[in-house]
Order: sequence, then C-alpha cells, then structure tokens
Amino acid sequence: AQTVTQSQPEMSVQEAETVTLSCTYDTSENNYYLFWYKQPPSRQMILVIRQEAYKQQNATENRFSVNFQKAAKSFSLKISDSQLGDTAMYFCAYRRWGGSEKLVFGKGMKLTVNP
Amino acid sequence: DTGVSQDPRHKITKRGQNVTFRCDPISEHNRLYWYRQTLGQGPEFLTYFQNEAQLEKSRLLSDRFSAERPKGSFSTLEIQRTEQGDSAMYLCASSPADGSYEGYTFGSGTRLTVV
Repeated sequence: AQTVTQSQPEMSVQEAETVTLSCTYDTSENNYYLFWYKQPPSRQMILVIRQEAYKQQNATENRFSVNFQKAAKSFSLKISDSQLGDTAMYFCAYRRWGGSEKLVFGKGMKLTVNP
Repeated sequence: DTGVSQDPRHKITKRGQNVTFRCDPISEHNRLYWYRQTLGQGPEFLTYFQNEAQLEKSRLLSDRFSAERPKGSFSTLEIQRTEQGDSAMYLCASSPADGSYEGYTFGSGTRLTVV
C-alpha cells in the first residue's frame, strides 16, 4: 500500500521569507500524481500544486514550487515570499495513475507565518 | 455554483444515535468522495461515487456506515449507532470525470462530536 510521510509536524517562518516543507512517499508504481493541499483554519482544503510523476520538470504555481525527486521518492514544497495568508495546515497527497481515485494523505504540517 | 457544500457544519450527538450528513457537489462534477479526518491526522478515504454508482469503499467504512448518491447528484453519509471513535471531521469532495484531473474541490466538512 502507498504511504505518505510528513516528518515535520510544525514550522514557523517570518513574513517574506522562504520555507520548504518536506514529504516522502512509498510506492511501487511508476506513474502517479502528487499533490500539496492547504487547509486554512476555516478547514476547507485547497489544492496548492500538483505534479505528474512522468514529468521531469518541477511544477510551479506563482510563489509555490516543488522539488520532485522520483528516485528518492521525495516531494518537497517551497513557498517563496511567505505571506500571513499562507498560515495553514499543509498536506502532501498521493494518487495512483488510473484505477482508484482516492488520495492518500500525509499527517500534515502546521505552518505559521509571523509578521 | 458556489462549490461543494456540506450540511450540517457541526453535529453533536449522543453515543448510540444515528446521524446523517449531506454533501452537494459542484453540479458538473460526476465524481464524489467522502473522507474522514481525525485530530492531528490527514484525511482518510472512505468511499467514492461516479454518478450514482459507489465504486470503492474503504475498510474504514464499517457496517454502521452507509453512503448513497441517488440520481448522481447530492450524497448522504449515514452513521448508525454512533460511537465515540466516530468523532471526526467528515469531508466531501468532488471532481470532474474528464481525465484531466485538476484535483478535488473539497467542502468545508461536517464536524461530528459523539458524547
């Protein structure tokens, strides 16, 4: 079974700084999707960024970028120019290519951006 | 369309009572998912519908849990004879079945407290 591990339960960063959130996963599949979701205190999960495993290029969405290391099964999220609104729980998630539609989530990491 | 809506937002019930939650997905999304999130954990997959067909159920979905999606629109999740261990946030999400997989849209969740 696939597993997702987020080893840092909590981090804090100063506004405007850069922070990196780590995620590792375990799978025997060759093709899959990886995601970072954000869950602000209002509790609605929001997709931050996604990566298809067959793509070598790391995904980027504005201030958010990933470092996808397929051989190492590592998928870290970098947030540049941190903003107060980035304060949230961040979840790394895995989904198989085809077949089941379910996401497998890590335990999450609480990020606090301080003014 | 304002996104995925869930009702109620909060539910407090006594142990042994039955509860039912409702999820209204984005109207053009034909895939609907239920997840459970306990404190300090990431969401765990419960079940998945494509239109009205329930295509996958987790082993977490015991005999006391049942989910329906009549006519492929809204969905209900019922828990019979609630136990304290059922206390959690129940999340609903939907996605289109167009193969692009942009990720789920989550609702704000229903927080269940069993006393």
